[in-house]
Amino acid sequence: NAGVMQNPRHLVRRRGQEARLRCSPMKGHSHVYWYRQLPEEGLKFMVYLQKENIIDESGMPKERFSAEFPKEGPSILRIQQVVRGDSAAYFCASSPGGDEKLFFGSGTQLSVL
Amino acid sequence: AQTVTQSQPEMSVQEAETVTLSCTYDTSESDYYLFWYKQPPSRQMILVIRQEAYKQQNATENRFSVNFQKAAKSFSLKISDSQLGDAAMYFCAYRRANSGYALNFGKGTSLLVTP
Repeated sequence: NAGVMQNPRHLVRRRGQEARLRCSPMKGHSHVYWYRQLPEEGLKFMVYLQKENIIDESGMPKERFSAEFPKEGPSILRIQQVVRGDSAAYFCASSPGGDEKLFFGSGTQLSVL
Repeated sequence: AQTVTQSQPEMSVQEAETVTLSCTYDTSESDYYLFWYKQPPSRQMILVIRQEAYKQQNATENRFSVNFQKAAKSFSLKISDSQLGDAAMYFCAYRRANSGYALNFGKGTSLLVTP
């Protein structure tokens, strides 16, 4: 059973471009969470999704950021018109739901030039 | 809102010795989970140990154990017989119970293990 897969591992974008980060949850997991980690900081919650639904997006910036988890395919975190402050490691985690533990991917390091 | 505080930005321990990492949290909930995650330089977040708040018994996983003091809202991690591979960032995290809530993380403690 493969773990949570995130790609790309590293992503470089210039200011104003779009960034798309992908997350394939573990097999059988229908709950996905996205977190952001700034340098020297812990992970900060961004959004929680179940298949085709956003359950909690209280940690998402109001503009430029969006997330989806379609019926088929990976979850996508999309950042439009990136700025230097978006540079961070973005982690995805998945769980089968309930109070089951979360499994994390290895993250995508986004660098904005 | 729940907050998690790790007051030790860095800790150092000699190989084979024991070290304790501190964590306190603030919540008004009675039912919740507490976690310690390890993040080595590879960046992978690895679950070390998990504690259910309703359980009085402290969780243990091999060389890792916790001291859970619910009234004091304290959740420290003890690493016994430290190994070089234990060197990493350690994050304490809190999660409300009852389905699907996100983790709240502390800022982390960097653990250095010296030979």
